[in-house]
Amino acid sequence: AQKITQTQPGMFVQEKEAVTLDCTYDTSDQSYGLFWYKQPSSGEMIFLIYQGSYDEQNATEGRYSLNFQKARKSANLVISASQLGDSAMYFCAMREGGADSSYKLIFGSGTRLLVRP
Amino acid sequence: SAVISQKPSRDICQRGTSLTIQCQVDSQVTMMFWYRQQPGQSLTLIATANQGSEATYESGFVIDKFPISRPNLTFSTLTVSNMSPEDSSIYLCSVPGLALQETQYFGPGTRLLVL
Repeated sequence: AQKITQTQPGMFVQEKEAVTLDCTYDTSDQSYGLFWYKQPSSGEMIFLIYQGSYDEQNATEGRYSLNFQKARKSANLVISASQLGDSAMYFCAMREGGADSSYKLIFGSGTRLLVRP
Repeated sequence: SAVISQKPSRDICQRGTSLTIQCQVDSQVTMMFWYRQQPGQSLTLIATANQGSEATYESGFVIDKFPISRPNLTFSTLTVSNMSPEDSSIYLCSVPGLALQETQYFGPGTRLLVL
């Protein structure tokens, strides 16, 4: 069965430094997608970045990059130059299946990031 | 990206009552998803709502408790029936983006407190 594991319940980072949030996954599918979301205290889920299982390059979106290591089944999120507004809960999620999949997502337990001034 | 709105944004309800949550999307989508986030927990999929067919419920969720309507391609409702304090959660609707497999967007959520 598919599973997403985030082993860091909480993380601190100094403003302007980089931080890595860990995510490992388990799936028997060859085709899958990995997502990262940010959830501030307001509760909304903000889509950050996506990595497909067949993508050879690591995904990047502005200050966010995804360190995808397929053999290790890990998809860590790297946030560069942390800002105070990055303080939030971060969720890793996985979608299994190819073009005919249901597109539903399975979420990890989340990591709470606090950026210190 | 899709613009998704939800009503109400929050509510406080008495046990035994029902609440209907609305989700409106600014574009037509074939699939809409309803998730629940219990306090301090991650998101769990309740059901997938497809226009023109019955919703597909995940294990642990039943239609009698969480009836869903999907009258058209831009709108869906989720009802939380016969509520108990354990139903206190954030309820979020979600839709795939234009790049179906590569994005999924969430509404702002409905914060429900059941007393």
